[in-house]
Amino acid sequence: DTAVSQTPKYLVTQMGNDKSIKCEQNLGHDTMYWYKQDSKKFLKIMFSYNNKELIINETVPNRFSPKSPDKAHLNLHINSLELGDSAVYFCASSRNGVGANVLTFGAGSRLTVL
Amino acid sequence: DAKTTQPNSMESNEEEPVHLPCNHSTISGTDYIHWYRQLPSQGPEYVIHGLTSNVNNRMASLAIAEDRKSSTLILHRATLRDAAVYYCIPSLIQGAQKLVFGQGTRLTINP
Repeated sequence: DTAVSQTPKYLVTQMGNDKSIKCEQNLGHDTMYWYKQDSKKFLKIMFSYNNKELIINETVPNRFSPKSPDKAHLNLHINSLELGDSAVYFCASSRNGVGANVLTFGAGSRLTVL
Repeated sequence: DAKTTQPNSMESNEEEPVHLPCNHSTISGTDYIHWYRQLPSQGPEYVIHGLTSNVNNRMASLAIAEDRKSSTLILHRATLRDAAVYYCIPSLIQGAQKLVFGQGTRLTINP
């Protein structure tokens, strides 16, 4: 069983479309994250949720909207996709308390906007 | 966020030890030093972390300078599977962990 699973793994779409990436973790963790890795390979945090509550919200266009239906799921919806949104998006999770600094990452979802 | 400096790339041979350096001269007193790595086409993976004392786990050792302005990740016997980008990340340990990834060191292992 994959600990942090993301779907889809690859996504190719046209500019202006709306798309979603889903993430699920089966580790029983309380906190989930979205990171973006751009073409220069820099990894940046976008959002973090703790028990369905938004904790970290970096400077991200409001076209990006995370949704956490329960603490095991964190989805990322992107409206009006732009060329610059092309990147690999990584979901991650961590527990509260001891081990909070140990993030488990998914394998990534590569988004290509044409 | 503390600024880190790591070599862009390093190369080593299989079954030899590898020492990956990191400078973090602006680290705050409460920041832990974390190391993560990213294997090709995968998400980052936790390696090790420490505050002041040297740390060992099954993956690696972490040697922290006495003034905490630098640290070294030690892979005792590198394998081909250790080829990855290694990131040194000073960070508080808190509920929602905000890890700031720099450029990292790309480690190549020669057979």
